[in-house]
Amino acid sequence: GEDVEQSLFLSVREGDSSVINCTYTDSSSTYLYWYKQEPGAGLQLLTYIFSNMDMKQDQRLTVLLNKKDKHLSLRIADTQTGDSAIYFCAEIPHGSSNTGKLIFGQGTTLQVKP
Amino acid sequence: DAGVTQSPTHLIKTRGQHVTLRCSPISGHKSVSWYQQVLGQGPQFIFQYYEKEERGRGNFPDRFSARQFPNYSSELNVNALLLGDSALYLCASSLVGKEQYFGPGTRLTVT
Repeated sequence: GEDVEQSLFLSVREGDSSVINCTYTDSSSTYLYWYKQEPGAGLQLLTYIFSNMDMKQDQRLTVLLNKKDKHLSLRIADTQTGDSAIYFCAEIPHGSSNTGKLIFGQGTTLQVKP
Repeated sequence: DAGVTQSPTHLIKTRGQHVTLRCSPISGHKSVSWYQQVLGQGPQFIFQYYEKEERGRGNFPDRFSARQFPNYSSELNVNALLLGDSALYLCASSLVGKEQYFGPGTRLTVT
């Protein structure tokens, strides 16, 4: 089946690390993505990871992939108030690589308190 | 470089009417996808077009249709609007098989 699940809400203090978690069902997914959406705006591609990788780091962002457990996480180091937004995990399921059909989770709202 | 652009930004329509939404992809991107995002949910895939051909379709009724033009821009059409069609409609462009970049969306309200 095609399903991506995320926790709905996360609150952290400015300067702390944030970890946003995601589980997916399609073990054949080749790429997994993280998008950020600010209020009233479109989606901004933050980072993505290929399924043969365990980890990818990009400045303050670290993505960890556990294929065995079908678990993806996004760690934001030194979280800032500007990081407050909704974060979406997404996958392209097996058989959809030609269509580009992204399956999104319901989004995690990150609240950063000063 | 300009990102993905969409027009209009906001739109209010009445039930039963028809609407056309427009999208211009990033220069060089030949693939365009459309998504519907209902408030409080993640985006849902509607269509993908590549080289003017439909490559994929999500679980949406035939009231939804789209097309892609020779310059790779795209239109999404929705007929016989229902209240439940109220949503943010997002367009994304990509190189074939590569990551998708989204536009700011068109907010459609059906009354």
